[in-house]
Amino acid sequence: AQTVTQSQPEMSVQEAETVTLSCTYDTSENNYYLFWYKQPPSRQMILVIRQEAYKQQNATENRFSVNFQKAAKSFSLKISDSQLGDTAMYFCAFMMSPNSGYALNFGKGTSLLVTP
Amino acid sequence: EADIYQTPRYLVIGTGKKITLECSQTMGHDKMYWYQQDPGMELHLIHYSYGVNSTEKGDLSSESTVSRIRTEHFPLTLESARPSHTSQYLCASSGSIGQEEGYGYTFGSGTRLTVV
Repeated sequence: AQTVTQSQPEMSVQEAETVTLSCTYDTSENNYYLFWYKQPPSRQMILVIRQEAYKQQNATENRFSVNFQKAAKSFSLKISDSQLGDTAMYFCAFMMSPNSGYALNFGKGTSLLVTP
Repeated sequence: EADIYQTPRYLVIGTGKKITLECSQTMGHDKMYWYQQDPGMELHLIHYSYGVNSTEKGDLSSESTVSRIRTEHFPLTLESARPSHTSQYLCASSGSIGQEEGYGYTFGSGTRLTVV
C-alpha cells in the first residue's frame, strides 16, 4: 500500500517570505499522480497543484511550485511571497491505483500559519 | 455552476439515531468518495464508487453504508449513530478526460457530525 508522509505538523512563515512544505511517499508503481491540497479553517478543500509522475518538469501554479524528485520519492511544495490567505492545512496526496478507484491517499497534513 | 454539495453542514444527534449525510454533484463525474476527517485533521477513505450501482469500502473500517443509484447522488447512512462516529465527513468526486485520470477532484464543504 502507498504511504504519504508529511514530517512537519506545523509551520509558520512571515508574510511575503517563502516557505517549503515537505512530503515523501512510498510506492512500487511507476505511473501515478501527486497533489497538494489546501484546507482553510472551516472551508472547502481545494486543489493547489498536481504533478504527473511521468513528467520530469516540476509543476507551477502562480506562487506555488513543487520540487518533484521521483527517485527519492519526494514531492515538496514551495509557496513564494506568502500571503495571509495562505494560512491553512496543506495535504500532500497520492492517487492510488485503478483497483482502488483512483482514490487519494493523504498525508497527515501540515498546518501553515502566515503571520503579518 | 458545477459543484458538489453536502448537507447538512452541521449535525448534532443523539446516540442510536439513524442519519443520512447527503452528497450531490452536478459535474457528471463517474467516481465519488467519502472521507472521514478526524479531529487531528487526518483523512481516511471510507467508501468510494466507480459509478452507478458500484460501491466499495475504503481503507478505514466504517459502520456506515453508501448507495449510488444515480450518478449525481452518493449518500452515506449510519444506521445507529454512536459518539465514536463524531467526525467531519468529506464527500468528493472526480471525472476523467478520455483515458486520462488524475484530474479535477472536487470536494464538498463537509458535514461536521457530533453524536451525543
